[in-house]
Amino acid sequence: GEDVEQSLFLSVREGDSSVINCTYTDSSSTYLYWYKQEPGAGLQLLTYIFSNMDMKQDQRLTVLLNKKDKHLSLRIADTQTGDSAIYFCAETSVVGNKLTFGGGTRVLVKP
Amino acid sequence: NAGVTQTPKFRILKIGQSMTLQCTQDMNHNYMYWYRQDPGMGLKLIYYSVGAGITDKGEVPNGYNVSRSTTEDFPLRLELAAPSQTSVYFCASSTGNQPQHFGDGTRLSIL
Repeated sequence: GEDVEQSLFLSVREGDSSVINCTYTDSSSTYLYWYKQEPGAGLQLLTYIFSNMDMKQDQRLTVLLNKKDKHLSLRIADTQTGDSAIYFCAETSVVGNKLTFGGGTRVLVKP
Repeated sequence: NAGVTQTPKFRILKIGQSMTLQCTQDMNHNYMYWYRQDPGMGLKLIYYSVGAGITDKGEVPNGYNVSRSTTEDFPLRLELAAPSQTSVYFCASSTGNQPQHFGDGTRLSIL
């Protein structure tokens, strides 16, 4: 079945760039997503990339997709304290648009 | 638009009790989903629906039931609550292969 893996934790200084990595197994995924979850809150869609793209930039966010290696990354430029949260990557199934989530990467931004 | 609305926000149940978690969306989305999120983990799919009258099992359906009599509503029922069902439950909706929109979650404790 599908499986999505992420590193557990990332610590970064305010103003630096953050890079969160994710690997997935379903080569038929149409879209790959990044969601943000702040403590006690729901999931906020950050960005997503279609599987036939290799890069997408959206303001401070850059998504890179290596389809051959099934590797997805999210780069946050000029990381701010408000970026401290858990970040989930997710892949979609072709049938039913179902999401399979990674376990989440907790990002801590230090002043 | 209110988006995806979940009720209640919090609930404490005794073992063996039953309850229904409500989810409604006002975006006319065909696809609706229920996920659970255990502490420190990613979300796992319980059930999903691709349209009124159609439901299907996700990764962790045991102990739950759903129905989809209207496009707007997708209630999740727990018949015999067990401690293992203590979790945060998220409902989501989407159209086709578009990003899923999530509700704020229902925090459920079973004691």
